[in-house]
Amino acid sequence: NAGVTQTPKFQVLKTGQSMTLQCAQDMNHNSMYWYRQDPGMGLRLIYYSASEGTTDKGEVPNGYNVSRLNKREFSLRLESAAPSQTSVYFCASSQVATNEKLFFGSGTQLSVL
Amino acid sequence: RKEVEQDPGPFNVPEGATVAFNCTYSNSASQSFFWYRQDCRKEPKLLMSVYSSGNEDGRFTAQLNRASQYISLLIRDSKLSDSATYLCVVAATGFQKLVFGTGTRLLVSP
Repeated sequence: NAGVTQTPKFQVLKTGQSMTLQCAQDMNHNSMYWYRQDPGMGLRLIYYSASEGTTDKGEVPNGYNVSRLNKREFSLRLESAAPSQTSVYFCASSQVATNEKLFFGSGTQLSVL
Repeated sequence: RKEVEQDPGPFNVPEGATVAFNCTYSNSASQSFFWYRQDCRKEPKLLMSVYSSGNEDGRFTAQLNRASQYISLLIRDSKLSDSATYLCVVAATGFQKLVFGTGTRLLVSP
């Protein structure tokens, strides 16, 4: 059982480049999330999708866009990467939006030079 | 003031010791409380929920003190494998927006 799968695991970008982080879950969960984790700060929510067909901004959405492609997949796009977006990104899912038991992917280490 | 505050540690303890961490939260409307565990360079994983009456899961005991707005995690008989960062997570009502603490690092030595 794969759970939540994120790709890529590592990525280096130059300022201004774009990229998409992919996330898929096989637990038939309704809700999916993108977080970033920076040293000295807790995980911060970027965007979430409470259910298929809906997306909403979290705490730190600027510079990002998301797509809930179907129930399984939720992607995060950086249109024009900035050094401030250097971080570890985690995708997560939960059965429903009111269920705080999150299952996380293994993370993407992103460096923007 | 941060919504959720934790002592970053590290807490260095020998195998077999008992260790406790506290976490304070500022939003008195918080309804749900959790401890997640995160190993170095890995994803967070749910360790346990924290219930009003306190709860136990093997060697782990979680307590909630609403009056003083803190939760605690007690680990008895520490194992080397308990070495990790423990994240305190608090949620208010509604969407259940989760607020993650920055974590407390535990190092268990032989």
